[in-house]
Amino acid sequence: AQKITQTQPGMFVQEKEAVTLDCTYDTSDPSYGLFWYKQPSSGEMIFLIYQGSYDQQNATEGRYSLNFQKARKSANLVISASQLGDSAMYFCAMREGGGRDDKIIFGKGTRLHILP
Amino acid sequence: EPEVTQTPSHQVTQMGQEVILRCVPISNHLYFYWYRQILGQKVEFLVSFYNNEISEKSEIFDDQFSVERPDGSNFTLKIRSTKLEDSAMYFCASSGGAGGGETQYFGPGTRLLVL
Repeated sequence: AQKITQTQPGMFVQEKEAVTLDCTYDTSDPSYGLFWYKQPSSGEMIFLIYQGSYDQQNATEGRYSLNFQKARKSANLVISASQLGDSAMYFCAMREGGGRDDKIIFGKGTRLHILP
Repeated sequence: EPEVTQTPSHQVTQMGQEVILRCVPISNHLYFYWYRQILGQKVEFLVSFYNNEISEKSEIFDDQFSVERPDGSNFTLKIRSTKLEDSAMYFCASSGGAGGGETQYFGPGTRLLVL
């Protein structure tokens, strides 16, 4: 079974609109962390936002927020006021367990296209 | 802002040759990782490293692969005898600074092409 599911292979959004990228995860471990990374066409992997399983509030970082719905095992990324530079591949990822050296498991990604 | 660096950015090699990919993790981080991404596919975990030992490795990380922290700053991935299917982007990552942060910060990657 997939640990991380991103159901949107591609999305097209008008500039300045808000975007929601979907992510669901599967784990039985009570301690886990959820990440979103951005991969532009140049290939690097840029960390965007992190949510711990015990965090009470949804994480926010500038224009990025993570809509964490624990009971639904959902961790959607919301980008407010999208910009042309947001066009990239976006990966949702999960670290299972409480160990700080635990590996990250990635989803297949969503390719976001921002239209002018 | 501190960042993970990787060299080279691109490497082309012949099948059967040895390659060494180099990484300089963020200086106060304690945990180091290698991941790879075959073109058009998702990122896959290879190995994690802590306290000069491998913490965990995936089934991809067979006897052809090895990792080393030869000094206080570098972290290397060696592929002894490359195969065509080793062509991929290889990412180094590090985490676990003094603040106990859990976020893994990735380097810019080395794009390896095996001919």
